[in-house]
Amino acid sequence: NAGVTQTPKFQVLKTGQSMTLQCAQDMNHEYMSWYRQDPGMGLRLIHYSVGAGITDQGEVPNGYNVSRSTTEDFPLRLLSAAPSQTSVYFCASSYSTGGAREKLFFGSGTQLSVL
Amino acid sequence: DAKTTQPTSMDCAEGRAANLPCNHSTISGNEYVYWYRQIHSQGPQYIIHGLKNNETNEMASLIITEDRKSSTLILPHATLRDTAVYYCIVRAGGSNYKLTFGKGTLLTVNP
Repeated sequence: NAGVTQTPKFQVLKTGQSMTLQCAQDMNHEYMSWYRQDPGMGLRLIHYSVGAGITDQGEVPNGYNVSRSTTEDFPLRLLSAAPSQTSVYFCASSYSTGGAREKLFFGSGTQLSVL
Repeated sequence: DAKTTQPTSMDCAEGRAANLPCNHSTISGNEYVYWYRQIHSQGPQYIIHGLKNNETNEMASLIITEDRKSSTLILPHATLRDTAVYYCIVRAGGSNYKLTFGKGTLLTVNP
C-alpha cells in the first residue's frame, strides 16, 4: 500500500505565483487534512475534509484553498504565494470505525520555499 | 481541547526504558490522550492512544493516572531510531482529523 502520497517533495516559488500541492491516499479514508510546520513549531491545521464535497477551515486557512472532489484526493492550492507560506506541508488521512478509532496517517511532506 | 504540558527535551540511554511525561490537568471526560512522534523531517507517526485504561501495543505503553490529569508514554527498550519529537495530544473522540500538535518533547537516545 502506498498510504498517503504527497507531491512534489520540494518546491521553490516566487512571490505571487500560484501552485497546487497534491495529496492522495489509497486507504479509502473519509477524513483528510492539511498541516503546515514551521521551524521549531508543532503542526498547525490549515484545512480539513470529512468526506468528498465537504471541507472546512482549520487554524491557519488564509491564503489557501482546498477542494475534495473524490475520496482519494485532497489538493491544497496557494493562490498567490507569500514568503510567510515558506514551510513544510503535511497531508494526513484517517478513518472512522466507531469508538476509539483515532489514528492519523501522514504523508512524507512537501518542503515549500517562497522567495 | 485540553492543554498539554510536556518537557522540552529528554535524554535516554540506548536499551533503557524511556518514560515521557505529559500533563493534561484540564482534560474532560470524553477526551482521549494520543501520542505521536516525528522523526526528523518525516511526517508524524501514530504511536498509541487511550481514554482511561492503560494501553500497550507493539511500539509502546501508555499509562494514564486514575484522575486522568497526567500520562506517561513508555518505550520499553529505546533504540537510536527512537530519537524523535514526541507529541502528547488530548482530543475528544470522533475528531481526530483536527488534532492540535504542540511543540512536544525531543527525546534523544544516546549510545
